[in-house]
Amino acid sequence: GQNIDQPTEMTATEGAIVQINCTYQTSGFNGLFWYQQHAGEAPTFLSYNVLDGLEEKGRFSSFLSRSKGYSYLLLKELQMKDSASYLCAVRPTNAGKSTFGDGTTLTVKP
Amino acid sequence: DGGITQSPKYLFRKEGQNVTLSCEQNLNHDAMYWYRQDPGQGLRLIYYSQIVNDFQKGDIAEGYSVSREKKESFPLTVTSAQKNPTAFYLCASTYETAGANVLTFGAGSRLTVL
Repeated sequence: GQNIDQPTEMTATEGAIVQINCTYQTSGFNGLFWYQQHAGEAPTFLSYNVLDGLEEKGRFSSFLSRSKGYSYLLLKELQMKDSASYLCAVRPTNAGKSTFGDGTTLTVKP
Repeated sequence: DGGITQSPKYLFRKEGQNVTLSCEQNLNHDAMYWYRQDPGQGLRLIYYSQIVNDFQKGDIAEGYSVSREKKESFPLTVTSAQKNPTAFYLCASTYETAGANVLTFGAGSRLTVL
């Protein structure tokens, strides 16, 4: 089976850095995704990791360690608009369908 | 503009009624998916289709049905057999970038059973 764990809620201050962790146990691994979802809206794609290491994309970076079953999403220079839910999803095989964690709700305060 | 269109955005249903949620895409994507999201939870896969005239059950298919007669369309029917249908329903398709099958979502349909 698949098991993906993320913290339920996090709070951070505008301008700061926050790290959202995701641990997974899956029967196979063919990639890990991060999506952002604002309240009442659809998720949008942020990043993808399939090999170990750090992927940087502007203010957002994502890290993967396959041996540890661990990923994190790093958000720098936080802005109020970054207040959202962040979903970690794992694709176990090359079949295309991903399994999602319950998401981490991030609140950015002034 | 290319994208996924879901309708209706909001839907109210009486107990015992079937309802159909529409999902249309003009992205020329082969694979399409239906997810359900409950408050404070992640997405759970209901059904998916990788090609026209073929679809597979996801993790929570009971009480739902789908069809894939055209590449562009993947409607979801929520039947009266679904015990707790009130939820946010998301349709998605996948495209490939740098080896990843990335999900792109429609705006969602919020179903409330009265």
